[in-house]
Amino acid sequence: DAKTTQPNSMESNEEEPVHLPCNHSTISGTDYIHWYRQLPSQGPEYVIHGLTSNVNNRMASLAIAEDRKSSTLILHRATLRDAAVYYCILRYNYGQNFVFGPGTRLSVLP
Amino acid sequence: NAGVTQTPKFQVLKTGQSMTLQCAQDMNHEYMSWYRQDPGMGLRLIHYSVGAGITDQGEVPNGYNVSRSTTEDFPLRLLSAAPSQTSVYFCASSYSVWDGNTIYFGEGSWLTVV
Repeated sequence: DAKTTQPNSMESNEEEPVHLPCNHSTISGTDYIHWYRQLPSQGPEYVIHGLTSNVNNRMASLAIAEDRKSSTLILHRATLRDAAVYYCILRYNYGQNFVFGPGTRLSVLP
Repeated sequence: NAGVTQTPKFQVLKTGQSMTLQCAQDMNHEYMSWYRQDPGMGLRLIHYSVGAGITDQGEVPNGYNVSRSTTEDFPLRLLSAAPSQTSVYFCASSYSVWDGNTIYFGEGSWLTVV
């Protein structure tokens, strides 16, 4: 099963960009890379996902390495409301369930 | 839009009691699932369903039952509550499990077993 590795925690200053890394060296060709985040006392919420090309949406950008063995979630301008646990998840087989690891706890300092 | 609705939000049970956590979605999603999250940990899959009448076990199914009689509802039953089942429970749904679609989560149900 393809697994992801993320740092346990990261800190950022408010209004600065944040780059959250994720390693997935055993990713297969059909695995989508998904990012979810979980705000305190809430359920996870979708952030972004991609397959091969870099992706942008109103919340974030996803940069995927050319060999797809790593990816980076980019928050362009962190706010206090972005403090959360960020999960990098692979859909490790077509049609399989999401598997959540411990994620990266992002702290945003004012 | 209601999205995924879970009830109750908080519940305290005594060891050995049974109860049902309710989950409903109004998005006509085929796929529904239940996760549990213990303090400081990621989510672990309990049971899931890919459509009405079809359920399957996830990573930690012991002590839980599910059924899917309608597309909208996916209740989770605790048969005989144990302190080890103290956790936060999240219900989730998506249009289909067969592609990269977004999963939508409920707000969670906090369960304490004493």
